[in-house]
Amino acid sequence: EPEVTQTPSHQVTQMGQEVILRCVPISNHLYFYWYRQILGQKVEFLVSFYNNEISEKSEIFDDQFSVERPDGSNFTLKIRSTKLEDSAMYFCASSAGTKGDYGYTFGSGTRLTVV
Amino acid sequence: AQSVTQLDSHVSVSEGTPVLLRCNYSSSYSPSLFWYVQHPNKGLQLLLKYTSAATLVKGINGFEAEFKKSETSFHLTKPSAHMSDAAEYFCVVSGPVNTGRRALTFGSGTRLQVQP
Repeated sequence: EPEVTQTPSHQVTQMGQEVILRCVPISNHLYFYWYRQILGQKVEFLVSFYNNEISEKSEIFDDQFSVERPDGSNFTLKIRSTKLEDSAMYFCASSAGTKGDYGYTFGSGTRLTVV
Repeated sequence: AQSVTQLDSHVSVSEGTPVLLRCNYSSSYSPSLFWYVQHPNKGLQLLLKYTSAATLVKGINGFEAEFKKSETSFHLTKPSAHMSDAAEYFCVVSGPVNTGRRALTFGSGTRLQVQP
């Protein structure tokens, strides 16, 4: 069964440093997403990406965040200057984008710890 | 805007007994609804989805859910719990069908504990 792959599974970074979280979506999917889950809280939507541009973003996705699809397979989330409150599990997901079908496939997540 | 309320933060059942995880949604349009499961230190796995076809939806591992528009509910059930069902379960609603809005809104989760 096709999978969404995320690397690394766990990343520790110092406050103020830049981090890049990487994802390989399912190859024939058209929509790509990032979600995050702060420990003990709800899973929250960050951003969706389609046709090489952001199609939707939440209030959380401010100027310190950016997304990119640098080649035909990878989808990345960059956090420019990390803060302690960015510590969370970050999930990448993709979907086929078929009309009326919103089924996602999620990756297993990257746990980001900012110290 | 849409929202999801999972009525129980924690449910404990004995192995072999039925499971009921409750979910109510709020939406101003016809929603797509999902249940996801998250095992410890694992990602989010889709259990089942409702997208305006049959109101009784069957998913993986013997789970099913019934969409009840009059009650704005989408409760998850399983006739007989197994130890491997112990996990966190999320009820999820999507943006309006046939629009560009695909962001998912998650409930706060229900932790299912299965006692031997």
